[in-house]
Amino acid sequence: AQSVTQPDIHITVSEGASLELRCNYSYGATPYLFWYVQSPGQGLQLLLKYFSGDTLVQGIKGFEAEFKRSQSSFNLRKPSVHWSDAAEYFCAVGAVNDYKLSFGAGTTVTVRA
Amino acid sequence: GAVVSQHPSWVICKSGTSVKIECRSLDFQATTMFWYRQFPKQSLMLMATSNEGSKATYEQGVEKDKFLINHASLTLSTLTVTSAHPEDSSFYICSAPTSGRFGEQFFGPGTRLTVL
Repeated sequence: AQSVTQPDIHITVSEGASLELRCNYSYGATPYLFWYVQSPGQGLQLLLKYFSGDTLVQGIKGFEAEFKRSQSSFNLRKPSVHWSDAAEYFCAVGAVNDYKLSFGAGTTVTVRA
Repeated sequence: GAVVSQHPSWVICKSGTSVKIECRSLDFQATTMFWYRQFPKQSLMLMATSNEGSKATYEQGVEKDKFLINHASLTLSTLTVTSAHPEDSSFYICSAPTSGRFGEQFFGPGTRLTVL
């Protein structure tokens, strides 16, 4: 069975500072990995995804994530956060030929001025 | 990107009544849609897979007689919470993947259900 762990429930970061959100997964085969952002009143938006190839993935809004098979991790990073990045972030894992996703518990990001 | 809508965005009902939530893919066809449930400050839990023209597939522990799913067309899936009780109060989210093996999933904005 696939599962995702997001160790950090809540992170507070200053505007302009860097951000890193941790994600660890458990899956028996090569995973498909995703990061989503959820803002109040809006649906989950895909930030980036990893299927294969280059382990450093670039996404929207200046986010990137690095897949590390040896650590079963897929951490999300942003060099300089903006106040608009305050939201809930979810890491998810999927399987080949299966659209089902398993989500982590989420990390709430608060941005202070 | 593709758009998925949900209606209503929030609903309050009395205990014992039934509530229907609609999920529509606005600019693409979806033979499969997913229904999730999200508790406050918690993750999304997959409830069921909605299949156009056939029965839904429910995840373990989800009561299919309580959460009725109908996928009558390629753009519409409905979730009916029957005989709702306060413990059914939650945020319900649907998603639909676009076609293709690596089809991206698009999520609706969610429906907040409160059962009094």
